[in-house]
Amino acid sequence: EAGVAQSPRYKIIEKRQSVAFWCNPISGHATLYWYQQILGQGPKLLIQFQNNGVVDDSQLPKDRFSAERLKGVDSTLKIQPAKLEDSAVYLCASSLVRAGGTQYFGPGTRLLVL
Amino acid sequence: AQKVTQAQTEISVVEKEDVTLDCVYETRDTTYYLFWYKQPPSGELVFLIRRNSFDEQNEISGRYSWNFQKSTSSFNFTITASQVVDSAVYFCALSASYNTDKLIFGTGTRLQVFP
Repeated sequence: EAGVAQSPRYKIIEKRQSVAFWCNPISGHATLYWYQQILGQGPKLLIQFQNNGVVDDSQLPKDRFSAERLKGVDSTLKIQPAKLEDSAVYLCASSLVRAGGTQYFGPGTRLLVL
Repeated sequence: AQKVTQAQTEISVVEKEDVTLDCVYETRDTTYYLFWYKQPPSGELVFLIRRNSFDEQNEISGRYSWNFQKSTSSFNFTITASQVVDSAVYFCALSASYNTDKLIFGTGTRLQVFP
């Protein structure tokens, strides 16, 4: 069974530019998560989808971050405009069930903002 | 508030030594789930174990074992006869079901196993 796929793996941009990340969850997983992991810290949730609806986006900086999951499968996360403090690894995860379900993570996208 | 504390920032051992990684959690929920993930240098988070709050049985999987104690709010992870391939950052995480499904992660423990 294929795992969670993410692209690109690495991205370097200058501040104020825009960037987009893509995620394809494990087949059949209705729940999808985006986490941000700053160097030396544990991941922190940005947004959670159940199918194509948003469950939790309370920690998403909505003035610059946006995310969508239009058909309930793939998802994209966008940052516009990027700031230096957005340099981090962006991890996508999916789970088969919601409450307490095991979340399986993709390889992540390492973003460096110069 | 929910919180996970991994007090050990970094641990270094020599191959074949046993090592225990500590995890202490805080939650007011009676139903919750605890997880351990491994993050090797490649960066991907690899799932190791999931435990729900009603199951305090300890678990052993090969060289890995987990000790869950609700009385002390701890969920510790032991690697027996460590190997160089065990070198990674290990994260403990908590999920409580009443509000959101998000994982609350600790700050991680970096384990270095030297040959």
